[in-house]
Amino acid sequence: GAGVSQSPRYKVAKRGQDVALRCDPISGHVSLFWYQQALGQGPEFLTYFQNEAQLDKSGLPSDRFFAERPEGSVSTLKIQRTQQEDSAVYLCASSLSGGRTPNEQFFGPGTRLTVL
Amino acid sequence: AQSVTQLGSHVSVSEGALVLLRCNYSSSVPPYLFWYVQYPNQGLQLLLKYTTGATLVKGINGFEAEFKKSETSFHLTKPSAHMSDAAEYFCAVSDRPSGTYKYIFGTGTRLKVLA
Repeated sequence: GAGVSQSPRYKVAKRGQDVALRCDPISGHVSLFWYQQALGQGPEFLTYFQNEAQLDKSGLPSDRFFAERPEGSVSTLKIQRTQQEDSAVYLCASSLSGGRTPNEQFFGPGTRLTVL
Repeated sequence: AQSVTQLGSHVSVSEGALVLLRCNYSSSVPPYLFWYVQYPNQGLQLLLKYTTGATLVKGINGFEAEFKKSETSFHLTKPSAHMSDAAEYFCAVSDRPSGTYKYIFGTGTRLKVLA
């Protein structure tokens, strides 16, 4: 079946603009994760959903970052008033289980955000 | 807090030579460990994982890793490198105490395979 998809693949924003990044997880996957990968670094956790519930948002770097998954499938990561330090690849991952077992996470191709 | 250290941000090997990518972790509880590979402009793909049981784990594309608790290591190896192995490799530990099993990644090792 289809894997995790993300859109757009590339986004260029002017500093101060708001952006919205979309993630379509694998159908039926309960858990959904967002990670931020800065250039030359490993991915860093941002937030976690179990179905529509956001159970962990400890990695969100500021209150300008907001994520939702209203129907327990598609998720949107929104960044308000973008800053240059927000430039990174944003990765979405989904897994089958409810996050309490170490199931494999399946990753999308990412959205590369560049803030000018 | 759990953490992952990958020694060597860049590793070069000749085609046909042994591949060894190092990963050390710190964890207060028995860890779940993963290796992922990332090809350019693609998402992360799971190579192998250790959860419980046998400490030598075999993965896809001929890769394997051995969990050594005494050394807090989970090094990735492949007996003979192929040109198609050139990619970036990430070691990750699953953050069990948080209950969400989010991943904590190392900074990655870029593998170059020389003809």
